[in-house]
Amino acid sequence: QVQLQESGPGLVKPSGTLSLTCSVSGGSMGSSSYYWGWIRQPPGKGLEWIATIYYSGNAFHNPSLQSRVSISVDTSNHQFSMKLTSVTAADTAIYYCARRDWVGIFDHWGQGVLVTVSS
Amino acid sequence: EIVLTQSPGTLSLPPGERASLSCRASQRVTSDYLAWYQQKPGQAPRLLIYGASGRATGIPDRFSGSGSGTDFTLTISGLKPEDSAVYYCQQYGVPPHTFGQGAKLEIK
Repeated sequence: QVQLQESGPGLVKPSGTLSLTCSVSGGSMGSSSYYWGWIRQPPGKGLEWIATIYYSGNAFHNPSLQSRVSISVDTSNHQFSMKLTSVTAADTAIYYCARRDWVGIFDHWGQGVLVTVSS
Repeated sequence: EIVLTQSPGTLSLPPGERASLSCRASQRVTSDYLAWYQQKPGQAPRLLIYGASGRATGIPDRFSGSGSGTDFTLTISGLKPEDSAVYYCQQYGVPPHTFGQGAKLEIK
């Protein structure tokens, strides 16, 4: 059973960079059947897809965030990461990492990490 | 991008009843690539339904999905207290893949 775990600072200053890592266990990140993604959820609000990456490094980003977000993968260390630059209070959210199947279904999720943007 | 609108925003029903939650897309969802997720307080979303009507592994048959094109429905029969949650639809047919705003189901 694949498991995902997010890690990173819980507090980021405005205009700074939000950096998170997702550690994957119980499954191979090099499988051709899956992508790896990030989704966020502002407190009390809905879900927003951020970005997705394939084990080869081929990546897709939400157009609304594309200029600020980057995603990378390190299959040898069973991790993938994201960076979001120039953050504001609007980026305060629970950030989830998840496994996405070939078609687009997020079938396994991490528990999520709350990141607050505040000075 | 495709906008998904869920209704009702909140639904309150007693145990044993049947709940129907709607998800309407602003344009046709390719191949009926529509999923439903359940999210309980303090937890990550859990996949319930994929491909509009396929049940994910371990999901009881009380949960069923239907619909095609732009109109989809999640039906939960024989409601139990543990079904209280927020339910989200997600379309994965047209990039960027988008989520609905969520629908809260209260069992009381």
